[in-house]
Amino acid sequence: GENVEQHPSTLSVQEGDSAVIKCTYSDSASNYFPWYKQELGKGPQLIIDIRSNVGEKKDQRIAVTLNKTAKHFSLHITETQPEDSAVYFCAASIPGAGSYQLTFGKGTKLSVIP
Amino acid sequence: DVKVTQSSRYLVKRTGEKVFLECVQDMDHENMFWYRQDPGLGLRLIYFSYDVKMKEKGDIPEGYSVSREKKERFSLILESASTNQTSMYLCASSPGGFSYEQYFGPGTRLTVT
Repeated sequence: GENVEQHPSTLSVQEGDSAVIKCTYSDSASNYFPWYKQELGKGPQLIIDIRSNVGEKKDQRIAVTLNKTAKHFSLHITETQPEDSAVYFCAASIPGAGSYQLTFGKGTKLSVIP
Repeated sequence: DVKVTQSSRYLVKRTGEKVFLECVQDMDHENMFWYRQDPGLGLRLIYFSYDVKMKEKGDIPEGYSVSREKKERFSLILESASTNQTSMYLCASSPGGFSYEQYFGPGTRLTVT
């Protein structure tokens, strides 16, 4: 099955700086790569996703890049704010009839220091 | 807005008890999932269902079963709770079709003593 590795496990940045979280996946058939943000006491929420036919996607301060050859993808947050502090999870999905499973990384706890 | 609700935020049970965790979604989604979340281990899939009365094992199904009698409701059952099942349990749903996005509930923190 798919295996997703996520680094780093914790990340501290000063407010206004950029944060980068990286993930690698094992199965070259994976074609959907979402990123979820989990705030304290809440369930994870999708913040951005990318499909394998796209190399980069941006939404305001958040961007995701995908390198299919190297089988890795990254989340970039610019101009970080205290409300960006949360746990972030990357995930990957292999397409298939009736299969909508996501394999998640172990998460990155991001702390933005005011 | 999609809403996924879980029956309890916190639950304390004794070893050997039968435990039911309920999840309800209000958006007519095809797929539903149960995960457990443990520190340092991320989200691990226990079971999922892509249709009423259909279920598939995830990565860690041992000690759990599920029931989906109605499209909007997906139940996780611990037949005989054990201390190593103390965890945060998250339910999610997704529309199906071309959408892979999963919508999560707030989670149930289960403690087995």
